[in-house]
This record gives sequence, C-alpha cells and structure tokens, in this order.
Amino acid sequence: RKEVEQDPGPFNVPEGATVAFNCTYSNSASQSFFWYRQDCRKEPKLLMSVYSSGNEDGRFTAQLNRASQYISLLIRDSKLSDSATYLCVVISSGGYQKVTFGTGTKLQVIP
Amino acid sequence: GAGVSQSPSNKVTEKGKDVELRCDPISGHTALYWYRQRLGQGLEFLIYFQGNSAPDKSGLPSDRFSAERTGESVSTLTIQRTQQEDSAVYLCASSYPRDREGEKLFFGSGTQLSVL
Repeated sequence: RKEVEQDPGPFNVPEGATVAFNCTYSNSASQSFFWYRQDCRKEPKLLMSVYSSGNEDGRFTAQLNRASQYISLLIRDSKLSDSATYLCVVISSGGYQKVTFGTGTKLQVIP
Repeated sequence: GAGVSQSPSNKVTEKGKDVELRCDPISGHTALYWYRQRLGQGLEFLIYFQGNSAPDKSGLPSDRFSAERTGESVSTLTIQRTQQEDSAVYLCASSYPRDREGEKLFFGSGTQLSVL
C-alpha cells in the first residue's frame, strides 16, 4: 500500500461547481498535512495547510480526519484558473522530517 | 530574498555521460529535498538534507545517483552514466528548520533532463 494515496482523476467539472478531493495516508504517526497545487509543467506550490479543526481560505476548505487517516480539499465555485493537479502532502517525524507527496488529483474546470 | 534557484533549467545529454544539477536554496533554509518527476507522473523522492548531512537517501534509484550539500547551502545532484530512463524533471525544494515553519516546502522551477 502506498504511504499517501489519491484518486488521479481527472475530475472534469463545470465552472461554479463544488468539487472535493480526498487523500488517504497509511502512517498513523503522521503529524502535518498540506495541499499543494501544481500547474502543468510548473513546480508545486503550497496551497494550504490542513489542521485538525479544519481550515478555510476563501473558496478552499481543508479537513483532516485522523481516525480514518484521510484529508480532504473542497473547492467551491470553481474557476477556470483552478485547473491544476492537487497534491496531498503528509509529513511524519522520527529522527528527521519525512515529506511524502501523493501522486496528485487532476482537476479540469470546464467553461 | 530570491526563491529556490536551480540550474541548468534544461539539460540535454547523451546516454552514458555524467550530469550535475545544481540547487541554490532560500537563504536560511536548512532542509533541502530532491525529487524526480517523470512526464505525467507524481513526485518521486530522491534525497533529503538537513544541514550538510543526508539522513534519508532512500529514494536514490541506483548507485549512479549521488548528491552532496556544502555550507548548508548549495546542493548538487550528480547522475553518472546517464540512461534514457533518467529523463525527467528534477525538482529541488527547501524549507526552514522545523521549529520555524519547517514543514512548508518551497520549490525551484526544476531542471528538465533529456537523455538521448
């Protein structure tokens, strides 16, 4: 089983739609969680951190479910500019910080 | 000031040649990561540096791959006797120490390596 798993998609949604992605992780000792966004042929960029209490940034809401070991990203009122690949990132710490990326979920927002 | 800088941005080489890829992290970032991304694929972890030491080299795919970091700054990733399957984008990322938002990675724009 992969350490971090995501549905690769693609998710094709119309503008204005609400879309949600999930990401599951296998290491119960994982401590920190993030969503990154990667545009085609570009480097990944941090989108938002994910906190246990859930957090919101404009149209984006991230949630963490430690009991079921998954995190989610909800995008409301999708824009064409939201089209990208969304990468789930899980960080665990033993003697050092281990950063594991999911393979990403591709989102295509259609006019 | 500047972000993570990688050079060259593009490298075309012949099979069997050695290549060196360079990463200049953001000043003050003690952690440095190398990833490989093949076309249409996810990020593949290669190696992690904390300062000048590499506590996790588990992702290096073969002994043809090596990396070093000096002065808690610049890192070089060296691929010896390149093979066509080494063709990919090599991404470098850096972050602050853990106690100072150390978990947020900032990426360079990558080196596109093409092995002919």
